[in-house]
Amino acid sequence: DAKTTQPPSMDCAEGRAANLPCNHSTISGNEYVYWYRQIHSQGPQYIIHGLKNNETNEMASLIITEDRKSSTLILPHATLRDTAVYYCIVRVIGNQFYFGTGTSLTVIP
Amino acid sequence: GAVVSQHPSWVICKSGTSVKIECRSLDFQATTMFWYRQFPKQSLMLMATSNEGSKATYEQGVEKDKFLINHASLTLSTLTVTSAHPEDSSFYICSAGLGRGTDTQYFGPGTRLTVL
Repeated sequence: DAKTTQPPSMDCAEGRAANLPCNHSTISGNEYVYWYRQIHSQGPQYIIHGLKNNETNEMASLIITEDRKSSTLILPHATLRDTAVYYCIVRVIGNQFYFGTGTSLTVIP
Repeated sequence: GAVVSQHPSWVICKSGTSVKIECRSLDFQATTMFWYRQFPKQSLMLMATSNEGSKATYEQGVEKDKFLINHASLTLSTLTVTSAHPEDSSFYICSAGLGRGTDTQYFGPGTRLTVL
């Protein structure tokens, strides 16, 4: 599965949108982009995933560039409870999930 | 959404003893489950793929005789850390998927193992 690159940390003001980037320049055509987050000492929580179209659910939006080499996870109105480590993973369906180092997001009051 | 549980949530044991950790899919059946280990301030590291009714597949560098995996039913996988040592102290997490469509994986809450 393709590797991903994420900034190690980001800050976001409470109530503002948090935009978390992910680079996956070696992604192949059958690999999906998944986003998970992990709050301290808990198991990862599924957020969203997509193949090539932008996706939105009750938690977040996922914007995938047309060439699929990068994506952005958007939390529209960040709250203190969104403070977590966010992982971007690319994966072929049925294969294992390999986690990178993720982005530690801190939402500031 | 799909719920995955783990038991126990934390365990403390003496060096040399064995510890069993259970992973259950509560409201769905999972033919495949995954086991991860996470050391402090590090990312999750995949240890093995647990397949119902067959042998687990271990990642390179993971000792299969030390980390015994049994996936006896479609809702239960167990990880046994045999002859545990202090360096095995870690956060162990499992995941399971619905096995259809885009196969999103759902993670358990994790088990904190401390070996004295």
